[in-house]
Amino acid sequence: DIQLTQSPSFLSASVGDRVTITCRASQGINNYLAWYQQKPGQAPKLLIYAASTLQSGVPSRFSGSGSGTEFTLTISSLQPEDFATYYCQQLNDYPFTFGPGTKVDMK
Amino acid sequence: EVQLVDSGGGLVQPGGSLRLSCVASGFTSSRFGVAWVRQAPGKGLEWVSSINVGDTYIQYADSVKGRFTISRDNAKNSLHLQMDSLRSEDTAVYYCARVVTDANNFWSGFDYWGQGTLVTVSS
Repeated sequence: DIQLTQSPSFLSASVGDRVTITCRASQGINNYLAWYQQKPGQAPKLLIYAASTLQSGVPSRFSGSGSGTEFTLTISSLQPEDFATYYCQQLNDYPFTFGPGTKVDMK
Repeated sequence: EVQLVDSGGGLVQPGGSLRLSCVASGFTSSRFGVAWVRQAPGKGLEWVSSINVGDTYIQYADSVKGRFTISRDNAKNSLHLQMDSLRSEDTAVYYCARVVTDANNFWSGFDYWGQGTLVTVSS
């Protein structure tokens, strides 16, 4: 199985900060990586798919990059509604694994 | 408006069965790959099962293989997950999700999710 690691696991930030989350895969996954945002009690929300394609309706402050084994999610200017947990997911091979999550909290 | 509505969760004893349903609206579910994803209380996301367009390719996580069965009812625009031989470690919120594909028609993410239905396996 392909393992995904995320760093950091926890991130304390302020409104307006630039935030970067890294997802590393245990083997190459081409660009079959998605990023999700999840708030407590809610279903995950797709932000980025195919590593860098912004999902329709998602603000442009979110961006994704990378290929192969290392990927990043960047929030250019953190907004109050962005405090949440973020997960990466690989769809290169079954089983479709998720990263353990990065919780973004208010400093 | 695209919407997925999950239902069928509840409390069940170990060894018991449940059938989850996911009704789609705003799109024809048979034209999309779909999946089930679960989340144990306070834990991360775990992919459970997927089914492609045409229902010719079905996959399961090892943790549920042989116990869970994914299926569609195209007449009702719905997706199902039959869960048998349930264990305490199956306790989770179960979400159905729709697959989004890239320009080459490869699966690239899950773009719409149901609200989730809680399954609790306990005696």
